[in-house]
Amino acid sequence: QVQLVESGGGVVQPGKSLRLSCAASGFTFGTHGMHWVRQAPGKGLEWLAVISYDGSNEYCADSVKGRFTISRDNSRNTLYLQMNSLRPEDTAVYFCAKKTSGNYAMDVWGQGTTVIVSS
Amino acid sequence: DIQMTQSPSSLSASVGDRVTITCQASQDISDYLNWYQQKPGKAPKLLIHDASNLETGVPSRFSGVGSGTDFTFTISSLQPEDFATYYCLQYDNLPLTFGQGTRLEIK
Repeated sequence: QVQLVESGGGVVQPGKSLRLSCAASGFTFGTHGMHWVRQAPGKGLEWLAVISYDGSNEYCADSVKGRFTISRDNSRNTLYLQMNSLRPEDTAVYFCAKKTSGNYAMDVWGQGTTVIVSS
Repeated sequence: DIQMTQSPSSLSASVGDRVTITCQASQDISDYLNWYQQKPGKAPKLLIHDASNLETGVPSRFSGVGSGTDFTFTISSLQPEDFATYYCLQYDNLPLTFGQGTRLEIK
């Protein structure tokens, strides 16, 4: 079955960088777009970024544009989120999700990885 | 950006009750709306896609209706496992936007 496993979270100081990974299995990764979504403690879901199946197109939310970059390596069935200039308000659980075929929604989600930005 | 106004933000109900959650979009999104369920510490789970289509394997007590700007999600008879937080998501336009969530609690 479809499985998405995030990794790379941890505690990081403000201003530092972190790269999250999302390992995909159970489907043909290279034919599906992918998303990143985050959830701050006790808060709702916030969509962050989407990348096309081949990595040729990407779109980021204004809240992270210029600091976060979504990318993928289809040879490794892995999605990435490079996070730079981290701020305390970036503290959240970060989820990757598979884009639904034919539209921009997401259908299957990973379990998430926790990022804490604190000095 | 399209704003999604979801209500109520919380709801107390009993097993067997019928509950309804609404989402209103700030502009016409056709039927480009999904409903997700999230339990504490878990990933969201897709329940309803394209406003009214039940995802495979999801119990039929869950349903959704609506088109344009107004959408409704209903659980016809609450079961103990349904106590969770529910979110709507519009995917008509980027950036994707979620409703604020509805926390469904046991009365």
